[in-house]
Amino acid sequence: SYVLSQPPSVSVAPGQTARITCGGDNLGSEGVHWYQQKPGRAPLLVVYDNTDRPSGIPERFSGSNSGSTATLAISEVEPGDEADYYCQVWDSSSAHWVFGGGTRLTVL
Amino acid sequence: EVQLLESGGDLAQPGGSLRLSCTASEFTFSTYGMTWVRQAPGRGLEWVSAISGRGDSTYYTDSVKGRFTISRDNSKNTLYLQMNSLRAADTALYYCARVHLYYYAMDVWGQGTTVTVSS
Repeated sequence: SYVLSQPPSVSVAPGQTARITCGGDNLGSEGVHWYQQKPGRAPLLVVYDNTDRPSGIPERFSGSNSGSTATLAISEVEPGDEADYYCQVWDSSSAHWVFGGGTRLTVL
Repeated sequence: EVQLLESGGDLAQPGGSLRLSCTASEFTFSTYGMTWVRQAPGRGLEWVSAISGRGDSTYYTDSVKGRFTISRDNSKNTLYLQMNSLRAADTALYYCARVHLYYYAMDVWGQGTTVTVSS
């Protein structure tokens, strides 16, 4: 089955840009979606179809996808951005939704 | 406000059964595919099952195939997950989520219901 790989943790200082990666075989040909999950809360969709943002998500959140790596970038990071972030794709070969293992973003 | 509300989580014995429900409000329920996603304590998100808007297509992760059954009643705006032959590994917070109309993303989530499988 399809596997998505994320770094367990990323740290960034306030005001800087955080980049969270998601790797997978030929991932650039897939639509990648990103979720933010704060402690004790349900996940929240922050980027869908590689680059699009749902209504209400700040422009500071952006996505890209090329080759075998998708990236969620969060510019001007704030303490409130501390959360776990998950990438996700639809694996058409198995008809399964697939999540990455998640990345904990720490704001120093 | 678009909303999903799960219920039915409980303590169950290994080998036992539970039925989870997810009631939707403020959107045309029958138009959307729906999914169940679980999160074991301290772990990441795991997709469990999904169903098409009309209920004629269903999908399962391998570990629950043959034990769990997803269904929906569009007249009641309600999604279900029948869980049989429960195992300790099924212990998790179970979320229902709406599938985006055009993409395989989950754009609305409930707050989750807790399933604990233990003797």
